[in-house]
Amino acid sequence: QSALTQPASVSGSPGQSITISCTGTGSDFGAYNYVSWYQHHPGKAPKLVIYDVTHRPSGVSNRFSASKSGQTASLNISGLQAEDEADYYCSSYTTSAILVFGGGTKVTVL
Amino acid sequence: QVQLVESGGGVVQPGRSLRLSCAASGFTFSSFAMNWVRQAPGKGLEWVAAISFDGSNKYYADSVKGRFTISRDNSKNTLYLQMNSLRAEDTALYYCAKDSILYTTSWYFLDWGQGTLVTVSS
Repeated sequence: QSALTQPASVSGSPGQSITISCTGTGSDFGAYNYVSWYQHHPGKAPKLVIYDVTHRPSGVSNRFSASKSGQTASLNISGLQAEDEADYYCSSYTTSAILVFGGGTKVTVL
Repeated sequence: QVQLVESGGGVVQPGRSLRLSCAASGFTFSSFAMNWVRQAPGKGLEWVAAISFDGSNKYYADSVKGRFTISRDNSKNTLYLQMNSLRAEDTALYYCAKDSILYTTSWYFLDWGQGTLVTVSS
């Protein structure tokens, strides 16, 4: 089972926008739109910020948006804030009937 | 509100077994699929297993298939993970996570527990 590929780290200054990519194979993303993104602060439970590629759960800031094109999904965080500093993981349901996570991206707010 | 409380973690020798539990409250447990997700020290999240709302369908990551068994007792609102033939690489914080849509598998999780730590070491 291959993990989805994410950059190890992304950084930005407060107020800036950043994008985190998540690259998989055809079998990772398949024909499904089951791509999700999680924010994970150390010591806390992961928090869902995007589901089904582009949907934002109730209560999640509209500064979080996402998209998918071909084998790459992307999470965009606009108006970067100190509280956004965390690890971010993409996940996708695959054609093998399993869920895979990306390796994670550490977001640093400079 | 939704509460998921994991228990059963601890230190265990390689090759031995351990059973994790996840006590659920604040929602109709029998209506939602459930999952186990783990995070090894210094590593990323790894999905481990899923079980449908009624227990009729089970899914496993290749890394645990044949060694771990997911199950649930809807009368007790509890999810389990039976872990056999444990290896050092199974050392991780194990989270239970609730699926987000009634009676199906949505593969995204709004609700997570705080995790229980499993350490496999001699």
